Amino acid sequence: EDQVTQSPEALRLQEGESSSLNCSYTVSGLRGLFWYRQDPGKGPEFLFTLYSAGEEKEKERLKATLTKKESFLHITAPKPEDSATYLCAGTNTDKLIFGTGTRLQVFP
Amino acid sequence: DGGITQSPKYLFRKEGQNVTLSCEQNLNHDAMYWYRQDPGQGLRLIYYSQIVNDFQKGDIAEGYSVSREKKESFPLTVTSAQKNPTAFYLCASKSSGQETQYFGPGTRLLVL
Repeated sequence: EDQVTQSPEALRLQEGESSSLNCSYTVSGLRGLFWYRQDPGKGPEFLFTLYSAGEEKEKERLKATLTKKESFLHITAPKPEDSATYLCAGTNTDKLIFGTGTRLQVFP
Repeated sequence: DGGITQSPKYLFRKEGQNVTLSCEQNLNHDAMYWYRQDPGQGLRLIYYSQIVNDFQKGDIAEGYSVSREKKESFPLTVTSAQKNPTAFYLCASKSSGQETQYFGPGTRLLVL
């Protein structure tokens, strides 16, 4: 069965303390791996799409990487405004398979 | 401004009542999707449509119905057969030939 697992469930960081969020997947014939940011009570905001192992994408303090088994979202020197839930999803058809998310809190 | 709109932001349902959630997009996307989000669970697919006048059931379609009469619109009806409708409902769309889905702001459905 195709599956996406995110870890940790929750992460508390001090402002400036870099870390990584993990997304492990077992999606046969992966056609894309997606990262979204979701603020409380809002819809997910698209961050990145990765298509093949070895691919990397960056946006401000965020960098997403992809291997054949997992993806990482690296957060460099986070700020309190980076606090949100980060969702990972994979696809091999027209449907997305979501993980349960990592809730990130960044304290000043 | 191009985007996806959902209305209402909050919706209250009484016992035995059907309610309809609106989703409109002006991105000229072909495919549209409805997801349900519950605390501690990943987003789950309810229904999706790849073209006008055609739609398919997702993983949790029981108790829901949809229509796709226009490319821009994909309303979701939560019927009285859905016994646990309290959730955050999200609409998404994507262009054919692309993989990335974009989401609307969501509707929170509560039961009175």
